[in-house]
Amino acid sequence: GQQVMQIPQYQHVQEGEDFTTYCNSSTTLSNIQWYKQRPGGHPVFLIQLVKSGEVKKQKRLTFQFGEAKKNSSLHITATQTTDVGTYFCAGPPSGNTPLVFGKGTRLSVIA
Amino acid sequence: GAVVSQHPSWVICKSGTSVKIECRSLDFQATTMFWYRQFPKQSLMLMATSNEGSKATYEQGVEKDKFLINHASLTLSTLTVTSAHPEDSSFYICSASGGGPLHFGNGTRLTVT
Repeated sequence: GQQVMQIPQYQHVQEGEDFTTYCNSSTTLSNIQWYKQRPGGHPVFLIQLVKSGEVKKQKRLTFQFGEAKKNSSLHITATQTTDVGTYFCAGPPSGNTPLVFGKGTRLSVIA
Repeated sequence: GAVVSQHPSWVICKSGTSVKIECRSLDFQATTMFWYRQFPKQSLMLMATSNEGSKATYEQGVEKDKFLINHASLTLSTLTVTSAHPEDSSFYICSASGGGPLHFGNGTRLTVT
């Protein structure tokens, strides 16, 4: 079945440093979605990318969808303590199939 | 925005008892809801897809007789953990889509003693 791999598993950064997490799928995805889960909370939707090579920005966050629609990345510029949490990528192989989540990247930010 | 309400947020039960978890979509209709399970510091594992008016679709390895899912209306799905055991202790999260991305409930932390 489809597998979604995410690296790194953990990342500790100093506040102000940049952070990137990478997501790779074993199959082509119809779209890629990113979620953030704060400690003790539930996943919250961040963004969805649909087009091959698509790049979207949300303030300090930059999301990219690969040309082959099998990989994606999330880059945070100048991290802040509010960025702490686990970032999950998720994608369905086709529009009607359930989301398969990556294992997530847990980000901690040291002030 | 779309809101999904999950109840209870936490429950402690004795081994052998059953626990029902409710998931409601408050401002949209959801023909499909999803139930996930999350162990500490782990990812979300899809347990089953709940289909309104029909049987749920369970993922491989998930016992349908142990995790009973009922989706009786377009806004409510329930997950019942039957004859719970300590190994069933986990964080259970439901989610639903109103046609776009998933919206998650706040989750239910189940502890079986």
